[in-house]
Amino acid sequence: DQQVKQNSPSLSVQEGRISILNCDYTNSMFDYFLWYKKYPAEGPTFLISISSIKDKNEDGRFTVFLNKSAKHLSLHIVPSQPGDSAVYFCAARVTGNQFYFGTGTSLTVIP
Amino acid sequence: DTGVSQNPRHKITKRGQNVTFRCDPISEHNRLYWYRQTLGQGPEFLTYFQNEAQLEKSRLLSDRFSAERPKGSFSTLEIQRTEQGDSAMYLCASSPRLASTDTQYFGPGTRLTVL
Repeated sequence: DQQVKQNSPSLSVQEGRISILNCDYTNSMFDYFLWYKKYPAEGPTFLISISSIKDKNEDGRFTVFLNKSAKHLSLHIVPSQPGDSAVYFCAARVTGNQFYFGTGTSLTVIP
Repeated sequence: DTGVSQNPRHKITKRGQNVTFRCDPISEHNRLYWYRQTLGQGPEFLTYFQNEAQLEKSRLLSDRFSAERPKGSFSTLEIQRTEQGDSAMYLCASSPRLASTDTQYFGPGTRLTVL
């Protein structure tokens, strides 16, 4: 029962262009959403989050958009840099402390 | 280094053996989480502690799994009678008392291989 889905296992983008990573969820009770970045041999690193009462949150080059009616979350990275190459996970929380993660999207930024 | 640490980083064991992993959270983080991650999947929630109290457990956590956080600081995850299906990366994360962001800080993980 995958409540958080990342349907694109991989994405390649040219340096300087926009990277858009997508995430869909099924549970309308999710109240908080996060994006994590993961490099090989390391644990996930928190990137950006958004509460369900908002539809956009921006932090530097990273912007997260939330469309609750579509149960869709996206992460925009502008401009993309080679150091952004990593696996990106979206995660969602039901009120409480249980988090559900997607399967990840591997981003490659081509110099 | 003030990040989350996990030991050992790698563990190879034979089926049927017991293994124990340790997680040291960031100092003063009162919340601690254990996750399991298999190849091609995202982290799957196993259990959650607030201070020393284990408040939530996933259905994934069978009777062979037990976790403790005796003094509200470090935590251990024990797997008894390991099976090949237990082979995975076990991740620990901690978060601070402030619940406004619920940002979790992950350790590097312990990779378990059951032969």
